[in-house]
Amino acid sequence: QSVLTQSPSVSGAPGQRITISCTGTSSNIGAGYDVHWYQQLPGAAPKLLIFGNNKRPSWVPDRFSGSRSGTSASLAITGLQAEDEADYYCHSYDSSLSGLNYVFGTGTKVTVL
Amino acid sequence: QVQLVQSGAEVKKPGSSVRVSCKAAGGTFNTYGITWVRQAPGQGLEWMGRIVPILGMVNYAQKFQGRVMITADKSTSTAYMDLSSLRPEDTAVYYCARDFPGDPPNNWFDPWGQGTLVTVSS
Repeated sequence: QSVLTQSPSVSGAPGQRITISCTGTSSNIGAGYDVHWYQQLPGAAPKLLIFGNNKRPSWVPDRFSGSRSGTSASLAITGLQAEDEADYYCHSYDSSLSGLNYVFGTGTKVTVL
Repeated sequence: QVQLVQSGAEVKKPGSSVRVSCKAAGGTFNTYGITWVRQAPGQGLEWMGRIVPILGMVNYAQKFQGRVMITADKSTSTAYMDLSSLRPEDTAVYYCARDFPGDPPNNWFDPWGQGTLVTVSS
């Protein structure tokens, strides 16, 4: 179902920098559609983390940053903290099917060592 | 600041239908859309469809066409998601979220409701 591919897991020690990749195709990210990112803490609903490829809502610390290039996007977390342990999902639009079609990434579990 | 409050957990038999509600508390729908996303146990997120209540405009993901119906009551700022012909693989947490800021395709989803667990079991 997911047309955006993410690495299943990423880990890092406190204070380190990690990146999460989101790989799409020419019908979604490669077509220029924006990428957004969500953080899902254990047992909670997803929460917006990055919108419009690289913009942060006011409540999100600047340790989180997003970028998009070609058919991929990335989420970087610098100064990793224990509270960052969560699942992260990318989200974009796909034009390969008729009608409206939002798509999500497969999800990446971040573990703080 | 609008919050989305969803109805409680449901247990349904295969073949039956379920309705999940999503009320905008502390605000109204205004011109925004409400989107529905589901998450099966231990799985990722799956977009189901959206409605723009002020326009009555609805879009469904191809996978759910014919089995899902999304409606809204503007007077109570409540959106509804009806899923019919339930099967065990429909067991999931169903989320509503505000579809922001306006027209697709570059919308993002914020905020999200707390989620509603729907369990389909005989």
